Amino acid sequence: QLVLTQSPSASASLGASVKLTCTLSSGHSSYAIAWHQQQPEKGPRYLMKLNSDGSHSKGDGIPDRFSGSSSGAERYLTISSLQSEDEADYYCQTWGTGHWVFGGGTKLTVL
Amino acid sequence: EVQLVESGGGLVQPGGSLRLSCAASGFTFSSYWMHWVRQAPGKGLVWVSRINSDGSSTSYADSVKGRFTISRDNAKNTLYLQMNSLRAEDTAVYYCARDPPVWGKGTTVTVSS
Repeated sequence: QLVLTQSPSASASLGASVKLTCTLSSGHSSYAIAWHQQQPEKGPRYLMKLNSDGSHSKGDGIPDRFSGSSSGAERYLTISSLQSEDEADYYCQTWGTGHWVFGGGTKLTVL
Repeated sequence: EVQLVESGGGLVQPGGSLRLSCAASGFTFSSYWMHWVRQAPGKGLVWVSRINSDGSSTSYADSVKGRFTISRDNAKNTLYLQMNSLRAEDTAVYYCARDPPVWGKGTTVTVSS
């Protein structure tokens, strides 16, 4: 069964970097994922598509501070030079057979 | 500018029906698969349904199968979600989304007596 696993929470200081993780279930390590950001009281925003080889394509207007990488079944979102507006929920999402699967989301707190 | 605008949400009693709409602009709507995703209060994103570009193929989450129907009108650049036999657990913000992902701002559905 295709499942995405995310830590419920993460925190980092203003100006620092943070790396969020999304883990694909066994047998699905070749899958691409997408990262989405949801700021408080707002709708989701597409950040990037991340392939198993670490290549990624970002959505329109996404700053260079956001980058992606991959290792095995793990997909990472790194945010550098953290700003207050980066405090948000981050969801990974992948493509099943004709449907989407979401991770549970990671709540990022900027200290 | 690529834009998706949902409408049709509101308060409905358990067992009632509602039809959501999603108006698309800024891209060739008929070329893209479209999805509905919902988010219950304080919870994460949950995929609800998907339709292919010409409307010939659909897919549903088990939780809504048999109650919800996704459809589209490519001439009107509009996506729909017909929701019947609504339950309290269907209460959520409903987002339409394009694939590759572009999101709407959502419309709120509240099922309560």
